[in-house]
Amino acid sequence: SQTIHQWPATLVQPVGSPLSLECTVEGTSNPNLYWYRQAAGRGLQLLFYSVGIGQISSEVPQNLSASRPQDRQFILSSKKLLLSDSGFYLCAWSGSFASGSTDTQYFGPGTRLTVL
Amino acid sequence: QKEVEQNSGPLSVPEGAIASLNCTYSDRGSQSFFWYRQYSGKSPELIMSIYSNGDKEDGRFTAQLNKASQYVSLLIRDSQPSDSATYLCAARMSGGYNKLIFGAGTRLAVHP
Repeated sequence: SQTIHQWPATLVQPVGSPLSLECTVEGTSNPNLYWYRQAAGRGLQLLFYSVGIGQISSEVPQNLSASRPQDRQFILSSKKLLLSDSGFYLCAWSGSFASGSTDTQYFGPGTRLTVL
Repeated sequence: QKEVEQNSGPLSVPEGAIASLNCTYSDRGSQSFFWYRQYSGKSPELIMSIYSNGDKEDGRFTAQLNKASQYVSLLIRDSQPSDSATYLCAARMSGGYNKLIFGAGTRLAVHP
């Protein structure tokens, strides 16, 4: 069965510091991968998605970036955090287009980021 | 701007009652719809997906879809206190890739 991991689980960072959040998926190949952010009391905002290694699409212009160095690894980064970057960051995966099962997205446990 | 709208709640129901959660979407081309449950401080977990008009049942949960009215609902029968959570509705956008648009969620409170 498929499993998705995220770390760290919680993070407190000062404004202006860098950020690196990691997501890995087990039990599937060529997944589509997604980064979402959920602000307190708000819905999910799609930040980035990736259909393959090195292929990243950005949904919202901001000071965040994403990379996919390996098939089942997705990284969210920032060079300088802003207060507004605080939130619950969720990684999700879905089946690849090649597998024909792309619809359903499954979420990892999330990283709660507080920027002070 | 393609949107998914949900009543934020809280929706309060007594234990054993039917909870009815509703969602409307603006993208007429959407074909796939999802309900997720999110406990406080946790990540969303999938409850059901629905693709065709009508009802789809899974245990105590029934999803209903009406594409003509652009309306999706989730019924929870025999509600339990453990069902207390925020329920997120999502619609897959029409277009070339698997982008889901999420509603802000409806908070459900089941009281004993």
